[in-house]
Amino acid sequence: EAGVTQFPSHSVIEKGQTVTLRCDPISGHDNLYWYRRVMGKEIKFLLHFVKESKQDESGMPNNRFLAERTGGTYSTLKVQPAELEDSGVYFCASSRGWGTTDTQYFGPGTRLTVL
Amino acid sequence: QKEVEQNSGPLSVPEGAIASLNCTYSDRVSQSFFWYRQYSGKSPELIMSIYSNGDKEDGRFTAQLNKASQYVSLLIRDSQPSDSATYLCAVSNYGGSQGNLIFGKGTKLSVKP
Repeated sequence: EAGVTQFPSHSVIEKGQTVTLRCDPISGHDNLYWYRRVMGKEIKFLLHFVKESKQDESGMPNNRFLAERTGGTYSTLKVQPAELEDSGVYFCASSRGWGTTDTQYFGPGTRLTVL
Repeated sequence: QKEVEQNSGPLSVPEGAIASLNCTYSDRVSQSFFWYRQYSGKSPELIMSIYSNGDKEDGRFTAQLNKASQYVSLLIRDSQPSDSATYLCAVSNYGGSQGNLIFGKGTKLSVKP
């Protein structure tokens, strides 16, 4: 079974540019999460999809961030325009359900550097 | 604000010793508790989950949960150099209104040969 995959692995952009990150969850996992870790901080939740619907987007920092999951398969996270403080590692995770015993499996992350 | 606190370390133990990693959490409604291991530059990997008070053992790993004290720990017996990594404590109130994980900053463990 393939794991969670993310693309690209690294992205270096200039302030003001747009970047789109992609996540492919484990096949059959209806739940998809985006997290972010900025330098020196803990991994923080951004949002949670159940299939194509946003279940919880309380962690999205501002309206420069737009997440989509059309068709309930892969998801994209767009940052437009990017700011310096957006630099960090963006992780995607997926799970079959979101009950008490459901495990979230993480992808390798996308390292975003905004110059 | 819900928080998960861990000692950032580094925690250094000799090979073969017991490594003890600790974590406290602030939200009493938390129901699920997880320990993830993260090697440098890699994705977090789940190694233990625990949902009820007491101990849970899996091979060389034992997770301990005390909900009254809002405390969860991970013991690694017979530590190996390959255990050197950052250990992340995470909590969730799965089954409630949220499915997201709340992470601590992680404890860096170094096992010396």
